[in-house]
Amino acid sequence: QKEVEQNSGPLSVPEGAIASLNCTYSDRVSQSFFWYRQYSGKSPELIMSIYSNGDKEDGRFTAQLNKASQYVSLLIRDSQPSDSATYLCAVNRDDKIIFGKGTRLHILP
Amino acid sequence: KAGVTQTPRYLIKTRGQQVTLSCSPISGHRSVSWYQQTPGQGLQFLFEYFSETQRNKGNFPGRFSGRQFSNSRSEMNVSTLELGDSALYLCASSLNVQGPNTGELFFGEGSRLTVL
Repeated sequence: QKEVEQNSGPLSVPEGAIASLNCTYSDRVSQSFFWYRQYSGKSPELIMSIYSNGDKEDGRFTAQLNKASQYVSLLIRDSQPSDSATYLCAVNRDDKIIFGKGTRLHILP
Repeated sequence: KAGVTQTPRYLIKTRGQQVTLSCSPISGHRSVSWYQQTPGQGLQFLFEYFSETQRNKGNFPGRFSGRQFSNSRSEMNVSTLELGDSALYLCASSLNVQGPNTGELFFGEGSRLTVL
């Protein structure tokens, strides 16, 4: 089992709709979780971090964490064409930040 | 505030050669991590340095090495290059005031290495 798993996509979502991105991780002791966004030809940038079970909201973004199910998700409300990018889930495992391969998100105008 | 600076941005090498990549972190950031990014494997962790010490290492062969200087600048070296080493090498810095890796990484633009 891979340490951090994401559906590679592409995930196509109409403009204005909610985009839902999912991630599962294998190490139960992981305590911190991150979502990074990477535009084509650019470097990843941090958009959300979450450390406790439940939801964390920041503007149009909501991160959800369920440690019992080893599951992290990212919701993007009112999706915009500028949200089209690859979204990388990352997990802190033994002080190493391990990334999933990412989900390509395409917002349809 | 200047971001993370990586040099060179692009380089072409032949098999068997070695390469050194440089990374200057954001001012005040003491942790520098290195990643290899390829289309097939995604972002793979190479190593992390904090206060001149390698704190963590990924599952790469010994041909991949690195170091960090007292000013937090870091270099990574790949010896005896193989075709499979062609990739984007990303450096990321982190504040990590209290030591443990916070995971809040700021990435440079990367060094794209092509091995022929």
